[in-house]
Amino acid sequence: DTAVSQTPKYLVTQMGNDKSIKCEQNLGHDTMYWYKQDSKKFLKIMFSYNNKELIINETVPNRFSPKSPDKAHLNLHINSLELGDSAVYFCASSQYPAPGTQYFGPGTRLLVL
Amino acid sequence: DAKTTQPPSMDCAEGRAANLPCNHSTISGNEYVYWYRQIHSQGPQYIIHGLKNNETNEMASLIITEDRKSSTLILPHATLRDTAVYYCIDKGDSGGSNYKLTFGKGTLLTVNP
Repeated sequence: DTAVSQTPKYLVTQMGNDKSIKCEQNLGHDTMYWYKQDSKKFLKIMFSYNNKELIINETVPNRFSPKSPDKAHLNLHINSLELGDSAVYFCASSQYPAPGTQYFGPGTRLLVL
Repeated sequence: DAKTTQPPSMDCAEGRAANLPCNHSTISGNEYVYWYRQIHSQGPQYIIHGLKNNETNEMASLIITEDRKSSTLILPHATLRDTAVYYCIDKGDSGGSNYKLTFGKGTLLTVNP
């Protein structure tokens, strides 16, 4: 069984479109994250939810809106996509009292044309 | 920005031990040292973490100097599948912003046949 899964794996879309990426974890963890890895391979956190509450929001444009319907899911919706949004987006999860031990999904490769 | 420094790349022969160094000279007393790796086109993978004692698990060993300003990750018998970027991260393990992992550039370990 996949611990942290993301859909879709690849996403190619036009500028200006709206798209969503879904993440699910079956580890029973209470915290989930979204990270972005750009073309230079830098991996940066975007958001974190703990028990469905937003606890980290790192200077991310308002066009990005995370939604956590329950502890096992954290979705990322992106409005008005821009070329600079092209990146690999990773979802991760962890469980208190070990937030540093995070389990990552396989990534969603987003290409905006 | 990451507070750790690592060599950008290292080579290791298959079957030999790989020793990956990391400097974290500004680490504070309650911050742990975490190691992750990212195999090409995959999500980051947790390896090991420690506070001040040496640690060992099925993947690797972590040696932390007495002053805690540096550490070494040891892969005792490197295989070709260990070729990856290895990240050393210092972070606290309490709530709030300590939930985020701040990745640096890491060390690209190449295991050669």
